Amino acid sequence: DVKVTQSSRYLVKRTGEKVFLECVQDMDHENMFWYRQDPGLGLRLIYFSYDVKMKEKGDIPEGYSVSREKKERFSLILESASTNQTSMYLCVVREPVDYGYTFGSGTRLTVV
Amino acid sequence: QKEVEQNSGPLSVPEGAIASLNCTYSDRVSQSFFWYRQYSGKSPELIMSIYSNGDKEDGRFTAQLNKASQYVSLLIRDSQPSDSATYLCAVNPGGSEKLVFGKGTKLTVNP
Repeated sequence: DVKVTQSSRYLVKRTGEKVFLECVQDMDHENMFWYRQDPGLGLRLIYFSYDVKMKEKGDIPEGYSVSREKKERFSLILESASTNQTSMYLCVVREPVDYGYTFGSGTRLTVV
Repeated sequence: QKEVEQNSGPLSVPEGAIASLNCTYSDRVSQSFFWYRQYSGKSPELIMSIYSNGDKEDGRFTAQLNKASQYVSLLIRDSQPSDSATYLCAVNPGGSEKLVFGKGTKLTVNP
């Protein structure tokens, strides 16, 4: 099974800061995703990538961008953090063999 | 917008009972279906995946899929307090790589 590592477990940032959330997989899978999870709203897709330099917007891309320069790394960027981006951010990797999806441990971001 | 609906819960069962969790989805051509368990403060972990109509059993867990009714369920037999968590249903819409999640059902198993 793939191991999905998110670099920070907890982050506190100030409004207006540029924030980078990093996700690394230990295999070579093509499909990687960023979701955010909020109480009452569930898991919502922000962006996903199906190969290096390839990306697609999810359901809530506003205020976010992504970068995938290497296959194993998928970064989520908050261009100018706002308080409504306070959330749990989850990176997900799809494993092609059995079509399972594996989550990272999550980054709980607080924007003050 | 493809939708996945789950019983809002919460669901409370006594230890040793069968817990039944239900999920419906709107995209008729969905291909893959997943149940995840999420403990408070943790990320979701995969319990079961199911791709064809019928039942799939793994230990105390049974997933059931009925594509004609657009319905997928998860049964937990001999429920244990350690099963207390939020259960998320996720669907892979036809032609898409992404997962669409329900909002989850919180299960409490009482000793």
